[in-house]
Amino acid sequence: RKEVEQDPGPFNVPEGATVAFNCTYSNSASQSFFWYRQDCRKEPKLLMSVYSSGNEDGRFTAQLNRASQYISLLIRDSKLSDSATYLCVGLFSGGYNKLIFGAGTRLAVHP
Amino acid sequence: DVKVTQSSRYLVKRTGEKVFLECVQDMDHENMFWYRQDPGLGLRLIYFSYDVKMKEKGDIPEGYSVSREKKERFSLILESASTNQTSMYLCASGLRGYSGNTIYFGEGSWLTVV
Repeated sequence: RKEVEQDPGPFNVPEGATVAFNCTYSNSASQSFFWYRQDCRKEPKLLMSVYSSGNEDGRFTAQLNRASQYISLLIRDSKLSDSATYLCVGLFSGGYNKLIFGAGTRLAVHP
Repeated sequence: DVKVTQSSRYLVKRTGEKVFLECVQDMDHENMFWYRQDPGLGLRLIYFSYDVKMKEKGDIPEGYSVSREKKERFSLILESASTNQTSMYLCASGLRGYSGNTIYFGEGSWLTVV
């Protein structure tokens, strides 16, 4: 089982829709989580950090549920420019910090 | 702004060739990383370095080696390229004690081995 798992999608939604992505992790010793955005043939870029108390940034809301080992990303009022792949990332500590990336969920927003 | 530069964006190499991928960062970061990204598999860590001349294996080091002679430069070496090493390679850097919101990626190097 992968340490960080995501639904690969694609999610095809119209402009203005609300879309939610889920991510599960298997290592309960994880320290913290993040959502990255990756455009086609580009490098991943940090979208937002995820906190147990929830984290909102404009149209984006991220949530962490440690009991269920579950992370979510909600995008409201989708824009065409939101079309990208969204990567769920966990930070796990052992001898050194280690970032584990999910395979990504692809979002396509259409007019 | 932090800048992580991968000198080669697109390469085509033949099976058996030695391949060098170079990465330079300008923020005096202690940590540097090499990942490869393949469809459906996400980013997988090949090697990382936490200091000059120091290196640690990641999850998939086989077929790769690295070199870090200067703090700002981290090189990935494919000693004898094979077709299964066709991939996108991403370099990243971060300060000591980095987290997921304090690492920075280069633009990626697309390698095709024929």
